[in-house]
Amino acid sequence: DAKTTQPNSMESNEEEPVHLPCNHSTISGTDYIHWYRQLPSQGPEYVIHGLTSNVNNRMASLAIAEDRKSSTLILHRATLRDAAVYYCILRDEGSQGNLIFGKGTKLSVKP
Amino acid sequence: GAGVSQSPSNKVTEKGKDVELRCDPISGHTALYWYRQRLGQGLEFLIYFQGNSAPDKSGLPSDRFSAERTGESVSTLTIQRTQQEDSAVYLCASSLFLATMYSGANVLTFGAGSRLTVL
Repeated sequence: DAKTTQPNSMESNEEEPVHLPCNHSTISGTDYIHWYRQLPSQGPEYVIHGLTSNVNNRMASLAIAEDRKSSTLILHRATLRDAAVYYCILRDEGSQGNLIFGKGTKLSVKP
Repeated sequence: GAGVSQSPSNKVTEKGKDVELRCDPISGHTALYWYRQRLGQGLEFLIYFQGNSAPDKSGLPSDRFSAERTGESVSTLTIQRTQQEDSAVYLCASSLFLATMYSGANVLTFGAGSRLTVL
């Protein structure tokens, strides 16, 4: 299985940028990198995805290393509402439909 | 509907009883997924459906767990003879197509989950 490694937790101050890292050294050449986040007491929600190039959307930016073995989710100005568990996801090679969620990074945002 | 709907939102049952958890996916979404999340833990994949078929059932924790989907719509996850270790939040998600990573636009939309407590 293609696996991801993320720090267990990170802290940020409100209105400061946050960089959430993810290592995926066994990623396959055509696998996309997806990020989801899970707010307290809610189901996960999609944040952003990318293949090779950096990506921006209204929620965040995704920076992908040139060798694609790591990526970084960037929240440009953290708000209290961004406190959540952030999951970096790759495909399960054993089953096309199976998405493997790692343990994620719990982000705390201090006012 | 506008989102993925799950019911019940909360279920408390006694050990040994059977429970059924229901998921209504977004209309038109062909793929449906079940995950389990124990308290303080990450998401554990259980099963997915492409249409009404479940090609891979190996993620189900034991033979007490079963799932079905009908009409390419509603799905039911059934747990027979519940045990205390089954206590968790059961999350359902759907996507327009099968969410292989080759198709980057296929994102999963999750429901709020069904919290199961087995006493």
